Amino acid sequence: EPEVTQTPSHQVTQMGQEVILRCVPISNHLYFYWYRQILGQKVEFLVSFYNNEISEKSEIFDDQFSVERPDGSNFTLKIRSTKLEDSAMYFCASSEGAGRQETQYFGPGTRLLVL
Amino acid sequence: SQQGEEDPQALSIQEGENATMNCSYKTSINNLQWYRQNSGRGLVHLILIRSNEREKHSGRLRVTLDTSKKSSSLLITASRAADTASYFCATPINYGNNRLAFGKGNQVVVIP
Repeated sequence: EPEVTQTPSHQVTQMGQEVILRCVPISNHLYFYWYRQILGQKVEFLVSFYNNEISEKSEIFDDQFSVERPDGSNFTLKIRSTKLEDSAMYFCASSEGAGRQETQYFGPGTRLLVL
Repeated sequence: SQQGEEDPQALSIQEGENATMNCSYKTSINNLQWYRQNSGRGLVHLILIRSNEREKHSGRLRVTLDTSKKSSSLLITASRAADTASYFCATPINYGNNRLAFGKGNQVVVIP
């Protein structure tokens, strides 16, 4: 069964460093998303991406964050200068099409720890 | 506003028993989705129920939706140790395309 994959599974970085989290969405999906979950808290939406551009972003997704689809399969989240509060589990998701009836399929997550 | 807010329960049951958890939301929705998360792992989609549906089944899962009360329930029948996980409901935010708002999650422990 097709699934969303994410690398790395764990990432430890120093505050102020740049990190790139990678995702491979399900191959025929057109919509891509990033969410994050700070330990013990809710899963929070960061950004959605369609047709090579951001379709929506949350207030969390500030100038330190960027997303890119560098090729036909990868979808990346970059944090330019990490802060302690960026420590979280980051989930990538994808859905087949548009509209609010579409199921989003999530990857296993990347656990980011900023020291 | 908060959407997809579960009753923040930790539920501990014996294998074979049924587990029920609830979720409430505050605004109009097109659908409501339930996800499972095993400890420290990814989110697994369980079931999507549309706003015009009242009940939906998938294997041992039964989901109900009451749009008049803005609430949903997830029932797991004949629970197994492998059902031990956190369960989240999520709803699309009206003003977005597919932006999901998640509740805090219900932690379910099934004791073998």
